[in-house]
Amino acid sequence: QVQLQESGPGLVKPSETLSLTCTVSGGSIRGTTSYWGWIRQPPGKGLEWIGSMSYSGGSYYNPSLKGRVTVSLDTSKNQFSLKLSSVTAADTAIYYCARDASCSGGSCQFDYWGQGTLVTVSS
Amino acid sequence: QPVLTQSPSASASLGASVKLTCTLSSGHSTYAIAWHQQQPKRGPRYLLKLNRDGSLNKPDGIPDRFSGSSSGAERYLTISSLQSEDEADYYCQTWASGIQVFGAGTKLTVL
Repeated sequence: QVQLQESGPGLVKPSETLSLTCTVSGGSIRGTTSYWGWIRQPPGKGLEWIGSMSYSGGSYYNPSLKGRVTVSLDTSKNQFSLKLSSVTAADTAIYYCARDASCSGGSCQFDYWGQGTLVTVSS
Repeated sequence: QPVLTQSPSASASLGASVKLTCTLSSGHSTYAIAWHQQQPKRGPRYLLKLNRDGSLNKPDGIPDRFSGSSSGAERYLTISSLQSEDEADYYCQTWASGIQVFGAGTKLTVL
């Protein structure tokens, strides 16, 4: 059974870069067709997809985040990461990592989720 | 890109059934979707997928009480024999050309 666990700072200052890591266990990132993604949830609100990346190198990002996002894979550690630059208070949220099951080599449903980590943007 | 529309809230009695609706936007009525459950203070959990052909995929461990169906642009999640732990937020999700989209969620109250 695939398990995902987010880690990273819980507090980030405005204008700085938010960096989170997701450690995958019970399955390998390497050599799979799956996409590995990040989703966030502001307090009391719904889910917002941030971006996803596959082992083959394909990546997709939410257009609304205007180029502030980078998702990368570290196959040696079986981890993937999120970097979100120039953060503001509006980026305060619970951040989840998840596996995209991938259908016919393309995106599909998220079938495994991490427990989430709260990141607060404040000085 | 597709847009998913969900009612903000729903309620049903303990032991009863409830049917939640997720509506695909115009031009996207044949898309597959997935349903996720988010219990209070927890991360989301994948419940099932409704494919373009109307078939259903459900992962191991999801009770038979959870089922899905489709009609036109509407995708349904039916929960039967409601239990207290079914009180949660339910989100539908779809995808297109690498872009992922979530509905705003339905908060289910079990009376």
